[in-house]
Amino acid sequence: DADVTQTPRNRITKTGKRIMLECSQTKGHDRMYWYRQDPGLGLRLIYYSFDVKDINKGEISDGYSVSRQAQAKFSLSLESAIPNQTALYFCATSSVRNTGELFFGEGSRLTVL
Amino acid sequence: AQKVTQAQTEISVVEKEDVTLDCVYETRDTTYYLFWYKQPPSGELVFLIRRNSFDEQNEISGRYSWNFQKSTSSFNFTITASQVVDSAVYFCALSGSNSGYALNFGKGTSLLVTP
Repeated sequence: DADVTQTPRNRITKTGKRIMLECSQTKGHDRMYWYRQDPGLGLRLIYYSFDVKDINKGEISDGYSVSRQAQAKFSLSLESAIPNQTALYFCATSSVRNTGELFFGEGSRLTVL
Repeated sequence: AQKVTQAQTEISVVEKEDVTLDCVYETRDTTYYLFWYKQPPSGELVFLIRRNSFDEQNEISGRYSWNFQKSTSSFNFTITASQVVDSAVYFCALSGSNSGYALNFGKGTSLLVTP
């Protein structure tokens, strides 16, 4: 089983719908991240969390919210999806002892029509 | 602010050629980390290397080598004797204390190795 699991892996939805992408990890890491990947733009940070009570906005947090339900779970929500949120979303984890090295999930491809 | 620039958007080489992927970074942190990740066509992100700002030693791992030069704020990646399986998008990334060590990625370089 993957250490960092994202669900769903693929999702097609319509404009205005609420969408939640979930991430769970078995690595025991304290830090979790959500990134978005668009062709030609690399990966951009949406939100990150250092522990359950510590949530931080990244470069492109507008239109997104997150919830850190437990150390192992970090979900990303789109309250009202729009077409330009169509992208590949990655969850990642890291340990404070392995500063900066991220362990990525397999990605969630979201299409907003 | 932190910034990573990968000026080469796409590179195409013939198998067995050597290829260097450029990475230039900007940061105000005195302690920072540089990374390279590989994203093959299957889409997963594969960690290749981490280098901290106090260690300018070059590193070689098989056909891969990395050249870190603080004087030019560069962390270049060379693949020697490229193979078709090296075809992927390669990302350079930077983390530092000012961003809570979250990674800032460059836009990536797409490498195509043809037989």
